[in-house]
Amino acid sequence: SQQGEEDPQALSIQEGENATMNCSYKTSINNLQWYRQNSGRGLVHLILIRSNEREKHSGRLRVTLDTSKKSSSLLITASRAADTASYFCATDRQGGSEKLVFGKGTKLTVNP
Amino acid sequence: GAGVSQSPRYKVAKRGQDVALRCDPISGHVSLFWYQQALGQGPEFLTYFQNEAQLDKSGLPSDRFFAERPEGSVSTLKIQRTQQEDSAVYLCASSLTATGLTDNEQFFGPGTRLTVL
Repeated sequence: SQQGEEDPQALSIQEGENATMNCSYKTSINNLQWYRQNSGRGLVHLILIRSNEREKHSGRLRVTLDTSKKSSSLLITASRAADTASYFCATDRQGGSEKLVFGKGTKLTVNP
Repeated sequence: GAGVSQSPRYKVAKRGQDVALRCDPISGHVSLFWYQQALGQGPEFLTYFQNEAQLDKSGLPSDRFFAERPEGSVSTLKIQRTQQEDSAVYLCASSLTATGLTDNEQFFGPGTRLTVL
């Protein structure tokens, strides 16, 4: 079963614009992670945010976490065509095993 | 150093055949995970090893699926009597930490795309 739900399912923007993707989850978590997957390739880890953190930055990425709403957002600033990919949030459940529970992903297309 | 590698990258099987998918994790990584990713979906957990011990196999969809990691490094996912619904990408991931520790970044391999005809 998939815990996370990304929103929107698909997003198309122009190069240079910002892209925002949202993720909601159901149970209490230890961490929430965002991954990128290019077509036909494996997942690349982008950023991890702990349950006691509210915001984290990494380069052009900004992640927020609201545990009261069980939601997270990923902002990609000044997008590039190379950012075209699917983006997944993944959570590990508090008190559970290390397995990650992924959402269905947001398919981002950045048009040059 | 090398990342997680998987072989084969692509596998076509006839319905009813047995297949074996291999994962080479990053050297020294304690934890190893298998996930199944259907087309257009996010990965779904299959099973988890800590060293050679299979600690969680709750995600294996049927008894036709079997995974092992006998020496705590390389792992094999075996699917017996494959069915069309087994068609998916099978992803392997490894992480350095053991259960109970936080900041558990999992490093993923490129996956094996299995097509059952």
